[in-house]
Amino acid sequence: GIQVEQSPPDLILQEGANSTLRCNFSDSVNNLQWFHQNPWGQLINLFYIPSGTKQNGRLSATTVATERYSLLYISSSQTTDSGVYFCAVVKDMRFGAGTRLTVKP
Amino acid sequence: DTGVSQDPRHKITKRGQNVTFRCDPISEHNRLYWYRQTLGQGPEFLTYFQNEAQLEKSRLLSDRFSAERPKGSFSTLEIQRTEQGDSAMYLCASSLTSTEAFFGQGTRLTVV
Repeated sequence: GIQVEQSPPDLILQEGANSTLRCNFSDSVNNLQWFHQNPWGQLINLFYIPSGTKQNGRLSATTVATERYSLLYISSSQTTDSGVYFCAVVKDMRFGAGTRLTVKP
Repeated sequence: DTGVSQDPRHKITKRGQNVTFRCDPISEHNRLYWYRQTLGQGPEFLTYFQNEAQLEKSRLLSDRFSAERPKGSFSTLEIQRTEQGDSAMYLCASSLTSTEAFFGQGTRLTVV
């Protein structure tokens, strides 16, 4: 199956800072999603982004399918951004291990 | 609410008992997925359905796990003879074929 690797595993930021989360995948994919898992465990959809760039407020994502990676950008981070961010390759329904983000006030 | 619905939200059971979880997908979604997530890990794929057909079940964790989607709408996941290691969050998701998937709130199982 497709291998999905996320980096960094942990990230601690001061409120207001920017960050980049990375997702590498081992094979070509036709769709990729980014999720934020809230403290109650629910996975919230952030982006469905097989290729190209999308933006939603302070968040944006870029997938370069030919180079097998995707990036999630968080600008002007807020404490409410804290949590675990996952990328998932829908072709194989496989998730990465996640990036745990902590934003300090 | 037209999102993915899971029931129950929490389940505490004694070791050796059977448990069944239900998932109601977003209507018109033909794919339904089951995942398990343990603390500190990413969701682990278990099985999925295309309409009523179970297309992938080799990743079910053991023969104690089984899933059904009899009419292509809701699905159930059953765990027989539960063990303490089965304690986890069980997540359900639905989508149209190979498009964006949406998750339910999960069922948290505790085996005592």
